[in-house]
Amino acid sequence: DAKTTQPPSMDCAEGRAANLPCNHSTISGNEYVYWYRQIHSQGPQYIIHGLKNNETNEMASLIITEDRKSSTLILPHATLRDTAVYYCIVEAGTASKLTFGTGTRLQVTL
Amino acid sequence: GAGVSQTPSNKVTEKGKYVELRCDPISGHTALYWYRQSLGQGPEFLIYFQGTGAADDSGLPNDRFFAVRPEGSVSTLKIQRTERGDSAVYLCASSLVDRIGYTFGSGTRLTVV
Repeated sequence: DAKTTQPPSMDCAEGRAANLPCNHSTISGNEYVYWYRQIHSQGPQYIIHGLKNNETNEMASLIITEDRKSSTLILPHATLRDTAVYYCIVEAGTASKLTFGTGTRLQVTL
Repeated sequence: GAGVSQTPSNKVTEKGKYVELRCDPISGHTALYWYRQSLGQGPEFLIYFQGTGAADDSGLPNDRFFAVRPEGSVSTLKIQRTERGDSAVYLCASSLVDRIGYTFGSGTRLTVV
């Protein structure tokens, strides 16, 4: 059973912030939120992960709500190269695998 | 190498044949994973190695699928008696710290005809 719900597709204008939502209402206390993306014909690429606190790195920011039932991945200035399928994944820190859903297909346009 | 290398990049085989898919992880990465991705779907976990041993093989679909990592580096995914339903992209990933920040290869596209 899917642990996360994401919109199937989103559009974003180049240069604008892309905000990708993810619902994970049944998340457990020991489960992390991971984000990966997959550009066409490539393997998935790790973006960021978090447990409770908001996180930021050179690629993106991850905002997790206080109740941890949802999160948002923010690409602050989207470019055409950010066009990809974005996967939100919830897994325990002790899990030996990641369970991918079908993700959100982000199309960045001029 | 700089990344995870998978060979071949494409493989076409006849139904019933045996195939081997190779994965060269990033040097020093002790954790290695195999996933399978069908068209329009997200990657599906197959097996996880920690060092030389398979720590979790719960994703292997049946006993036609087998994977090894004899020296704790290169891994080979082996599929016997291939079926058309095995057609997919087979992805390998490695990580330094278990489960965090995998680096994936570009995959092997297997087509069974």
